[in-house]
Amino acid sequence: SQTIHQWPATLVQPVGSPLSLECTVEGTSNPNLYWYRQAAGRGLQLLFYSVGIGQISSEVPQNLSASRPQDRQFILSSKKLLLSDSGFYLCAWSVGGPLVQYFGPGTRLLVL
Amino acid sequence: DAKTTQPPSMDCAEGRAANLPCNHSTISGNEYVYWYRQIHSQGPQYIIHGLKNNETNEMASLIITEDRKSSTLILPHATLRDTAVYYCIVRARSSQLIFGTGTRLQVFP
Repeated sequence: SQTIHQWPATLVQPVGSPLSLECTVEGTSNPNLYWYRQAAGRGLQLLFYSVGIGQISSEVPQNLSASRPQDRQFILSSKKLLLSDSGFYLCAWSVGGPLVQYFGPGTRLLVL
Repeated sequence: DAKTTQPPSMDCAEGRAANLPCNHSTISGNEYVYWYRQIHSQGPQYIIHGLKNNETNEMASLIITEDRKSSTLILPHATLRDTAVYYCIVRARSSQLIFGTGTRLQVFP
């Protein structure tokens, strides 16, 4: 069966510090991978998606970047965090199209 | 993209059927109706989807009207663990998901 892992589960970082969040998927090959952010009390916003190694599409301009160094690994990064980067970050995967997605447990990021 | 309208909140007694409505009057012929839910502090969970016909799986049933302008997600025997925000999403198959504000379902004992 397929599983998706995200870490860390929670993170508190100072403004201006770097960020690296990791997501890995097991039990499937060539998945589409996604990063979402959910600000407190708000809806989910798609940040990045990837259909293959090294292929990244950005949905909104922002302070973040994404990379896919391996087929089942997706990394979200920032060189300098802003207060507005605080939120709940979710990774998801799908196969055969973007509309049936399976989400990971998420990372809660608080930037102080 | 078809816009969806959902009530902001609903209550349901445990053991009863929860019927969550969704209006999508501008739906196009190639757009599907998808339902997800998000339990507090967790990632969204896919529930079910359909195009024209009614669909049923182990989690829920999806009833789509004949003109496809509205649909209803049915949880046949709601439990306390079904308390969540339920999202109705109408998209073409090649499009990305867009989550709106959904319906907050509260199941009470």
